[in-house]
Amino acid sequence: DTAVSQTPKYLVTQMGNDKSIKCEQNLGHDTMYWYKQDSKKFLKIMFSYNNKELIINETVPNRFSPKSPDKAHLNLHINSLELGDSAVYFCASSQDRPGRAFDTQYFGPGTRLTVL
Amino acid sequence: AQKVTQAQTEISVVEKEDVTLDCVYETRDTTYYLFWYKQPPSGELVFLIRRNSFDEQNEISGRYSWNFQKSTSSFNFTITASQVVDSAVYFCALSEADSGGGADGLTFGKGTHLIIQP
Repeated sequence: DTAVSQTPKYLVTQMGNDKSIKCEQNLGHDTMYWYKQDSKKFLKIMFSYNNKELIINETVPNRFSPKSPDKAHLNLHINSLELGDSAVYFCASSQDRPGRAFDTQYFGPGTRLTVL
Repeated sequence: AQKVTQAQTEISVVEKEDVTLDCVYETRDTTYYLFWYKQPPSGELVFLIRRNSFDEQNEISGRYSWNFQKSTSSFNFTITASQVVDSAVYFCALSEADSGGGADGLTFGKGTHLIIQP
């Protein structure tokens, strides 16, 4: 059983489109995250979220928004896609509450987004 | 602000050699956690180890060992008798005590690309 899963694995789209990436975890964790890995492999936190708090990294454009239908899911919506959004996006989960990352974070397989 | 430095961008060794990946961190907190993750060519991020700031004991897991030294703010990772399957990008990461409201999550180093040649 996959602990943290993401769909799709690859996403190719045109500039200006709106797209979503889905994430699900079956670990029973309370907090989920989205990270962005750029072309140089640098990983940076975008959001941390549980059912009480959403904490947004101040550098993330408001075109990006997380949506959580329930505790096990945290989807990433991106509006008006730009060329610079091309990256690999990783979902993760842990037992921590947002803003405190002490417990081990388990990552999904990543979604490679290509904006043309 | 917290920071993680992995000065070695790429290391290439021949199989069966020992190799050490360096990690130096900066934090103002006394309570923090350090992590290592492996990213093989297939792209997923695999958790390797988590260590809290109050536990400076070295850890060994099979061919992997970690050396945590608070005096030098380092958390180095050694692979003994390296194998081709160890080829990957390895990330060191840091998390501090309560971020005070920021989505700090894990702060990652830039990664070290380890190449094990047969």
